[in-house]
Amino acid sequence: KAGVTQTPRYLIKTRGQQVTLSCSPISGHRSVSWYQQTPGQGLQFLFEYFSETQRNKGNFPGRFSGRQFSNSRSEMNVSTLELGDSALYLCASHSGPVYGYTFGSGTRLTVV
Amino acid sequence: GENVEQHPSTLSVQEGDSAVIKCTYSDSASNYFPWYKQELGKGPQLIIDIRSNVGEKKDQRIAVTLNKTAKHFSLHITETQPEDSAVYFCAVNTDKLIFGTGTRLQVFP
Repeated sequence: KAGVTQTPRYLIKTRGQQVTLSCSPISGHRSVSWYQQTPGQGLQFLFEYFSETQRNKGNFPGRFSGRQFSNSRSEMNVSTLELGDSALYLCASHSGPVYGYTFGSGTRLTVV
Repeated sequence: GENVEQHPSTLSVQEGDSAVIKCTYSDSASNYFPWYKQELGKGPQLIIDIRSNVGEKKDQRIAVTLNKTAKHFSLHITETQPEDSAVYFCAVNTDKLIFGTGTRLQVFP
């Protein structure tokens, strides 16, 4: 079966801009979790969506937001980009609360 | 909140040797302990997991052991090969997965 698809793979944005990242989960999976990965902080939980509802949220500022559509595809948005937002953003598709996470290859965001 | 510590941060071994990575956690309610492998340019991939009702689980050259009393669990890789070189992450569950800080494993031919 097809894996988790994240688009785009790479992005370069300027400070102050906003960005939208997309994640298409494995067919049949209704849960999507987003993580930010940086060398200094590791994998940090952003939020989780299940059936179009945000079920959980990490400790990130309100500039980070997300949503999920009826086909389970999810998007995350970061507004007013800062240099520190440069990171690999990973999406995980899963059928249950925490079991069987399947990650996509991520979107590498660079803020200049 | 849950805290996951992972050691060592880097590990270099000769091909054929064994590698052991250890994690400790703080929340006694955690009951699911997966391990992920991340290769360059890819997302983390689940390689093995264990639930709290089991003390050890093996899958070919990979094994995980769990000590719930001491709140630690370990990944064991035997007969290491160069393709085992990657970053390995442990994780524990709360209402989400919390990841350790990662171990960069290098296997030298």
